[in-house]
Amino acid sequence: GQNIDQPTEMTATEGAIVQINCTYQTSGFNGLFWYQQHAGEAPTFLSYNVLDGLEEKGRFSSFLSRSKGYSYLLLKELQMKDSASYLCAVRDRAPDRGSTLGRLYFGRGTQLTVWP
Amino acid sequence: ETGVTQTPRHLVMGMTNKKSLKCEQHLGHNAMYWYKQSAKKPLELMFVYNFKEQTENNSVPSRFSPECPNSSHLFLHLHTLQPEDSALYLCASSQGSPGNEQFFGPGTRLTVL
Repeated sequence: GQNIDQPTEMTATEGAIVQINCTYQTSGFNGLFWYQQHAGEAPTFLSYNVLDGLEEKGRFSSFLSRSKGYSYLLLKELQMKDSASYLCAVRDRAPDRGSTLGRLYFGRGTQLTVWP
Repeated sequence: ETGVTQTPRHLVMGMTNKKSLKCEQHLGHNAMYWYKQSAKKPLELMFVYNFKEQTENNSVPSRFSPECPNSSHLFLHLHTLQPEDSALYLCASSQGSPGNEQFFGPGTRLTVL
């Protein structure tokens, strides 16, 4: 199984930078995803890491350290519309699942509130 | 705009009712998923289909019955549900092998009375 831990809530102000951490324990690691979910809406893909290091995509960046079982999502130049839940998801290895790459296990999500 | 649609968006049903949730993806993906999202809990995978064949059943009670007639459509048939089954039910799809980036629908908010 998987154990994924992320803070329940965070707050920040417009224009600031916020870092959302995610730690995981996995029996077999095969990638980490970050999703954004606004209230009442579908989760939307933000980033994917499978190798150590930083992946940058505009205002959002995601970092992974496989040896530490740790990832973070960095949001820069925060805007009000960034207020949402941020979900960390770990994909495991699929030992005997044929063509599948593995299953996604989600954390509980971090509810970010951005204040003016 | 998401390429995955779900109907209905909201559903209230009694414990003796039978209802179905529908999901349709317009992305040409081959894998489809059902997830359950309860308050304060992580997204829980329920079922996975790949090329309309079920590849995962995450120990889901038999009162939830999935159906995948083709790679674009996925149903979740509900019968004799319990109040604790009230949750947001999300459908997702992905291209290639299951486990790739998933695209989610807006979900069906289900309330069981």
